[in-house]
Amino acid sequence: AQSVSQHNHHVILSEAASLELGCNYSYGGTVNLFWYVQYPGQHLQLLLKYFSGDPLVKGIKGFEAEFIKSKFSFNLRKPSVQWSDTAEYFCAVIPYNQGGKLIFGQGTELSVKP
Amino acid sequence: EAGVAQSPRYKIIEKRQSVAFWCNPISGHATLYWYQQILGQGPKLLIQFQNNGVVDDSQLPKDRFSAERLKGVDSTLKIQPAKLEDSAVYLCASSLGGRYTSNYGYTFGSGTRLTVV
Repeated sequence: AQSVSQHNHHVILSEAASLELGCNYSYGGTVNLFWYVQYPGQHLQLLLKYFSGDPLVKGIKGFEAEFIKSKFSFNLRKPSVQWSDTAEYFCAVIPYNQGGKLIFGQGTELSVKP
Repeated sequence: EAGVAQSPRYKIIEKRQSVAFWCNPISGHATLYWYQQILGQGPKLLIQFQNNGVVDDSQLPKDRFSAERLKGVDSTLKIQPAKLEDSAVYLCASSLGGRYTSNYGYTFGSGTRLTVV
């Protein structure tokens, strides 16, 4: 079945460590890609998005993601995490020609130790 | 601009009772979505409206869930009767629609956390 897969369910890092969260999707054709973040007790917020052009996209709070079409991947990275990055991160895809439906991965919980 | 408003924030009900959630999208957003987020999972689309018409309700358990978007603005999602497995956060989101949705994504509300006991 077509889906969005996030490799890690829970990631624990110390402050200043580098972060990479994996995301793969199984939809063919054109896709628009997103990363959302959900801080404890808050609503989903858009971190960054890709729909065309430079496959390396920069988002808010120092996050970036790279779209690798051949690998159907859109991994999220941050060179140095902070305690305030503790949150749940969701990769999401809008596949082409599906009426704008946003399909989420299962999420990765990030815990950053001070 | 004001965000997507949802109420209530929390609701606890007994199984077999009914419950309703309300959503007010961002002004001018033609498309409205209801998602269900079960603990430990990503949000799952329940229903998508374009103005006041349903675009996709294939994932909505229609024997117990219903939703409407009268006048193409506010929306309500109802569960009747509720089951234990309906315990989840119900998220409302809105978007401009069309290619703007694909390029810019959605704006989400804070959600309603439902606990069925």
